[in-house]
Parts: sequence; structure tokens; C-alpha cells
Amino acid sequence: NAGVTQTPKFQVLKTGQSMTLQCAQDMNHNSMYWYRQDPGMGLRLIYYSASEGTTDKGEVPNGYNVSRLNKREFSLRLESAAPSQTSVYFCASLLQGWNYGYTFGSGTRLTVV
Amino acid sequence: KQEVTQIPAALSVPEGENLVLNCSFTDSAIYNLQWFRQDPGKGLTSLLLIQSSQREQTSGRLNASLDKSSGRSTLYIAASQPGDSATYLCAVIAGGTSYGKLTFGQGTILTVHP
Repeated sequence: NAGVTQTPKFQVLKTGQSMTLQCAQDMNHNSMYWYRQDPGMGLRLIYYSASEGTTDKGEVPNGYNVSRLNKREFSLRLESAAPSQTSVYFCASLLQGWNYGYTFGSGTRLTVV
Repeated sequence: KQEVTQIPAALSVPEGENLVLNCSFTDSAIYNLQWFRQDPGKGLTSLLLIQSSQREQTSGRLNASLDKSSGRSTLYIAASQPGDSATYLCAVIAGGTSYGKLTFGQGTILTVHP
């Protein structure tokens, strides 16, 4: 099925460990985004890529890095995980022109202990 | 900075009621507005997208309106059902130099009981 695919769905990390969250979309969308969702804080933008080859910081970028590997894939890396990064992470994509709205992945539930 | 507020934060209604969820935003220079549904532990499902030039959109029992000048949108759900129980999120999509960034409200938790 067409859409946004995130892996893994669940992950437990120890403080200081690193990991990469993967996101891929097969809808030929230009823009891709990483959000985190926390209770009482809503969804907040971490990083985004308006088009292949570009990335920009969002509202809460500290502690994260991203790579727009190609038009389909946009990864989020935690270099040294901290308990404050325990959250649910969502990847989303947007067709340039914005007439179709956002499509979200099913999320990655990350716990840092 | 764009801020999005949703009222009420939670709503519990008996099955069959018509209901209205409210969303307000502080910066009227939006490109689009999108309503999502989120079930517990799940991702976001898009319900309706309203472009800034439109006044409303309809899909089945759902109707969303947009008044850009006053910074308001409403989601109307007709003849509510227990399966409508979920969190409903309103998000505005920025235009101009903010390039499509979404700003979300905190959501309305809806419970429809039989």
C-alpha cells in the first residue's frame, strides 16, 4: 500500500546509545518531516526536508540529526540518546503544492532508560 | 509564532449526537488547514484538508469549515457513533517562508458512548 513507512515500530535504548529511525515514502512527495509527540506537548517539528538535498531545523532539533538520503528516504539519528528523548516519533510527507495535505507514518515508540 | 488552540480538550457524548469541535489559530496567514484523527497508540489519519481559499470541506458525516480572517475552524460530526471515539487534531500549514510547516493544536479527546 502507498504511504509512509517507519521502522522500527518500537525501540528501547540505554542512555548514551545511538540509533537511526528510518522513514520511506512511495508517493513521490517532495517534502518530508520528523515530529515528536509527547503527552501535554502535542506534536512538535524536529527537522524537515523541503526537497531532496535540503534539510532544516524545526522547533526542537537539539540532540538530533537528519539525512535526506534520496527523494524517498528521510532518516532521523539520535547520536547519544537521553531520557528526555523518550517519545513517539512520526515521519510525514507532503506533496509540493500542498493540495493533498500531509501523510503520516504509523510512528516509532522510543524509550530511553 | 503560530499557536493553535482546540476547545474543548475532552468531550463525552451519547451515541447519535451531533457535535462540534473548535480550532483557533493566531496567525491568519495560513496555506491550508488539516483535521486528523488519532486512535490510542496509533498514527495520524487525515480526515479533511481545507485550502485557505475554501470555506468548507465535507466527507461523509464530517464537515469542516474555515474562517481565515477570524482564525477559526470547526469540525462538525453528525450522528456520532462509538467508532468515532478518538483524539481529533487540528493543524495549520504555514505559507511563505515557513514552507509547509504544520502547527498542531493539543487535540480534543472524543468519547462516544453507546
